[in-house]
This record gives sequence, structure tokens and C-alpha cells, in this order.
Amino acid sequence: AQTVTQSQPEMSVQEAETVTLSCTYDTSESDYYLFWYKQPPSRQMILVIRQEAYKQQNATENRFSVNFQKAAKSFSLKISDSQLGDAAMYFCAYRRLSQGAQKLVFGQGTRLTINP
Amino acid sequence: KAGVTQTPRYLIKTRGQQVTLSCSPISGHRSVSWYQQTPGQGLQFLFEYFSETQRNKGNFPGRFSGRQFSNSRSEMNVSTLELGDSALYLCASSFSGSYETQYFGPGTRLLVL
Repeated sequence: AQTVTQSQPEMSVQEAETVTLSCTYDTSESDYYLFWYKQPPSRQMILVIRQEAYKQQNATENRFSVNFQKAAKSFSLKISDSQLGDAAMYFCAYRRLSQGAQKLVFGQGTRLTINP
Repeated sequence: KAGVTQTPRYLIKTRGQQVTLSCSPISGHRSVSWYQQTPGQGLQFLFEYFSETQRNKGNFPGRFSGRQFSNSRSEMNVSTLELGDSALYLCASSFSGSYETQYFGPGTRLLVL
């Protein structure tokens, strides 16, 4: 069974600085997706970024980027120029890449606090 | 496009009762997945429906069931509620489910007393 581990229950960062959230996963599959979702106090789960395992290039979305290390099974999220609106729970998630495979496996989450 | 909607947003029930939660996916999306979120267990996959058929199922007891209608709207039902069923229930939709990203609704918070 696939597992996802986020070893940092809480992180804090000063506004405008950079923070990196860690995620490791375990799978025997070679093709899969990895995601970072953000869950603010409203509880709405919002997609931050997505990475296909077959792509060597790390995904980026504006101030958000990932460091994907397939051999090490590591998938960290870097947030640059942190803003107050980035405060939320961040979840790392894994999904198999196969027809009909919809199940997301989530980590336990990292609560990110932004200090003004 | 309107996002994923879930109704009701909040619900209070007592042990032994049953409950039905509803999810309307993004227009055009045919896959709907359900997740349970609790402080202790985190986010866990319940099941997924695609074209009115259950395609994937998580490790939950038979008290948890679901269905999908021809317009892709989905309902999940929990019978004989237990205190441990108190949770945030999240619904997510995607176009076909295989290779697309899932988009989540705001969730239904269920409290069982």
C-alpha cells in the first residue's frame, strides 16, 4: 500500500520569506501523480501544484515550486515571498497513474503560519 | 464554471440515525470521489463513482454507501451513525477520473451526538 509522510506538523515563516514543506512517500509503482493541496480555515481543499512522476522537470506555479526527487521518493513544496493568505494546512497527496485510479492518499498535513 | 457544491454544509445527528449527504460536481465532470477527514485519521478515501457505477472503494464498513445519478450528482449515506462518524466529508470531482486533477467541494461537517 502506498503511504505519504509529512514529518513537519507545524511550520512558521515571516511574511515575504521562503519556506519549504517536506513530504516523502512510499510506492512500488513507477508512474504516479503527486499533489500539494492547501486547506485554509474555510476547509475548502485547494490544489496548489501537481507533478507527474514521469516528468523530470519540477513543477512551478507562480510563487510555488516543488523539488521532486523520484529516487529518494521525496516531494517538497517551496513557497517564495510568503503572504498572509498562504496560512493554511498543506497536504501532500499521491495517486496512481492508471485507468480509473482515483484514490488520493494524503499525508497528515503541515500547518503553516505566516508571521507579519 | 461553478465549483463543486455540497449540501448541507453542517449537520447534527444522534447515534443510530442515518444521514444523506449530497455533492454536485463541476459541470461536465463525471467522476465523483468522497473523503472523510477527522483529526485522528486524517483524510481517508471512501469511494468513487463514475458514470453511475462505483469504481473504487476504500476501507470503510458497509454502513457507508453511495450512489451517483445520471446527471453525475452523487449522494453518500451513512446508516446507524456512531460517534466516530463525526467528521468533515469532502467530495471531489474530475472529468473522467483517470488522468485529471480532482477539485474539491467545501465539505459537509457532520456532528454525531
